[in-house]
Amino acid sequence: QKEVEQDPGPLSVPEGAIVSLNCTYSNSAFQYFMWYRQYSRKGPELLMYTYSSGNKEDGRFTAQVDKSSKYISLFIRDSQPSDSATYLCAMSQIQGAQKLVFGQGTRLTINP
Amino acid sequence: DGGITQSPKYLFRKEGQNVTLSCEQNLNHDAMYWYRQDPGQGLRLIYYSQIVNDFQKGDIAEGYSVSREKKESFPLTVTSAQKNPTAFYLCASSFLPGDYGYTFGSGTRLTVV
Repeated sequence: QKEVEQDPGPLSVPEGAIVSLNCTYSNSAFQYFMWYRQYSRKGPELLMYTYSSGNKEDGRFTAQVDKSSKYISLFIRDSQPSDSATYLCAMSQIQGAQKLVFGQGTRLTINP
Repeated sequence: DGGITQSPKYLFRKEGQNVTLSCEQNLNHDAMYWYRQDPGQGLRLIYYSQIVNDFQKGDIAEGYSVSREKKESFPLTVTSAQKNPTAFYLCASSFLPGDYGYTFGSGTRLTVV
């Protein structure tokens, strides 16, 4: 069993829809949770960073962490075609960790 | 502008040859990392380095080697011992401690022909 599981998709939704991306994990020691966005043939860029449980909002993006269920989510409101990318969840036990563990990534397409 | 530069963007290698991928950062980050990305497998850690002249193996270090002679530079050599080297290679860096995520380069696509 992988430490971090993420549905690879692909996921295709119409413009303006609310998108929900999810990851589950098995290591209860994970405390820091991140979402990265990766455009085709580019490196990932950090979107959201959350410590422990709770919600964090940044514009159209909301990150949610439920440590009791070992489940994290990224919500995208009012989705735009420019949001089309692969989204990777990542997590670690230690802040500034040397060993960030990544999910497989979910490929998302927003259709105009 | 600060960032991480990976070169080349595309690289072709014949079987049995060693090849070196370049990674340079001007962010004054302490730590640097090499990941490999294959379709459907996410990112897997090859090597990482916290300080100059020191580095540690990641989860898939076999067939790879690195050096960290300067804070700004962390080149990766893919040796002929790497059985399946065709992949997308990503270099990243971060501050230590108190980091809030990695900064990634744009990647190098290596193809063995």
